[in-house]
Amino acid sequence: GAGVSQSPSNKVTEKGKDVELRCDPISGHTALYWYRQRLGQGLEFLIYFQGNSAPDKSGLPSDRFSAERTGESVSTLTIQRTQQEDSAVYLCASSLPGGGTRGYTFGSGTRLTVV
Amino acid sequence: DQQVKQNSPSLSVQEGRISILNCDYTNSMFDYFLWYKKYPAEGPTFLISISSIKDKNEDGRFTVFLNKSAKHLSLHIVPSQPGDSAVYFCAASEWSSASKIIFGSGTRLSIRP
Repeated sequence: GAGVSQSPSNKVTEKGKDVELRCDPISGHTALYWYRQRLGQGLEFLIYFQGNSAPDKSGLPSDRFSAERTGESVSTLTIQRTQQEDSAVYLCASSLPGGGTRGYTFGSGTRLTVV
Repeated sequence: DQQVKQNSPSLSVQEGRISILNCDYTNSMFDYFLWYKKYPAEGPTFLISISSIKDKNEDGRFTVFLNKSAKHLSLHIVPSQPGDSAVYFCAASEWSSASKIIFGSGTRLSIRP
């Protein structure tokens, strides 16, 4: 597609439930990233996929968080047993390998609210 | 450990004047720097970038300055316009090794009439 697509755009879930967030990157972008932005804070790196290489998971905050990507297509970010501190906007971005000279193209994000 | 720091959470500038947003970094391996702009309910969008081999890059009203010895960069917007009101993120990467981009915490710029 023309841009990075994320779904759902908004998600309200009860504490303890699992949620799955989806990201459709730009066609041809081999690199895909997940970030999150808590209220009033900056962009926090979560995970990075580059082609068939092992993903960089160094930003995942706990083992409740996991992400998958099949090849160079869709990625899903799963949060198990959600907690209120998981409330944030989850942003997906894609890019050419290494980010290119224009960095990443971001989606509009999924706003997750845990009640 | 914040590798990219934006120490001013907010900035208010009069329309038509210069806006200067500042950013400091700690990782001397960073060799590529970017500024992103974010409006509410939208994802960040790329604004301007600079390689570590340069000390200035200009694109229309936007100029980024890099001072490697001070590990400092700044974004100048001249003249400031109402549409420039947004959150600006400074970002850096070890581009030559294709590593992920590290973002600062952002500065909210408000342009007042």
